[in-house]
Amino acid sequence: GAVVSQHPSRVICKSGTSVKIECRSLDFQATTMFWYRQFPKQSLMLMATSNEGSKATYEQGVEKDKFLINHASLTLSTLTVTSAHPEDSSFYICSARSPDGPNEKLFFGSGTQLSVL
Amino acid sequence: QKEVEQNSGPLSVPEGAIASLNCTYSDRGSQSFFWYRQYSGKSPELIMFIYSNGDKEDGRFTAQLNKASQYVSLLIRDSQPSDSATYLCAVNLGGDMRFGAGTRLTVKP
Repeated sequence: GAVVSQHPSRVICKSGTSVKIECRSLDFQATTMFWYRQFPKQSLMLMATSNEGSKATYEQGVEKDKFLINHASLTLSTLTVTSAHPEDSSFYICSARSPDGPNEKLFFGSGTQLSVL
Repeated sequence: QKEVEQNSGPLSVPEGAIASLNCTYSDRGSQSFFWYRQYSGKSPELIMFIYSNGDKEDGRFTAQLNKASQYVSLLIRDSQPSDSATYLCAVNLGGDMRFGAGTRLTVKP
């Protein structure tokens, strides 16, 4: 299957700092990428849809000023958690949609475990 | 009604048995259907996809799709302890991918 690379895999930071997470599609161009968060033993929660060259679309209840998304190229989307607080500690996962027309599939990055102290 | 529904489980089967995971969806316009496996602390991994009615087999996995009844299932034959994970059903409606909450499967040795 297609490869989506996500870095870093784990980050520990102090409260008030900002953290940037990168998501790259390595073997296909992804005009659309997605960002999720997942708390332990809970289901995936879609945070936002990242569109190359345009503003991200955020799900209801997700603060766009806190979770900054930049999709500057067809292979890279970044999520920046600004002024992180302990309640932002979570597993963040990106995904990219492969351009297969009606047969498009979604591939996930390996996830980033964020711990805010 | 949720867009994609799965029994949260846990579903427990003995090693070597067939595990049957079910998923129903609400929108008849849904076009493609996926099963992802997620191990604890890891991200989801695509294991099966199916686009048309009927069965699709890949090794020990069989996906079954019935669009008239709006359900899709995943059968795992000869279940192994390494199959213990949460299985997510996903449905693509016009590029909008929606996930079920997942079914937790435990295969006991």
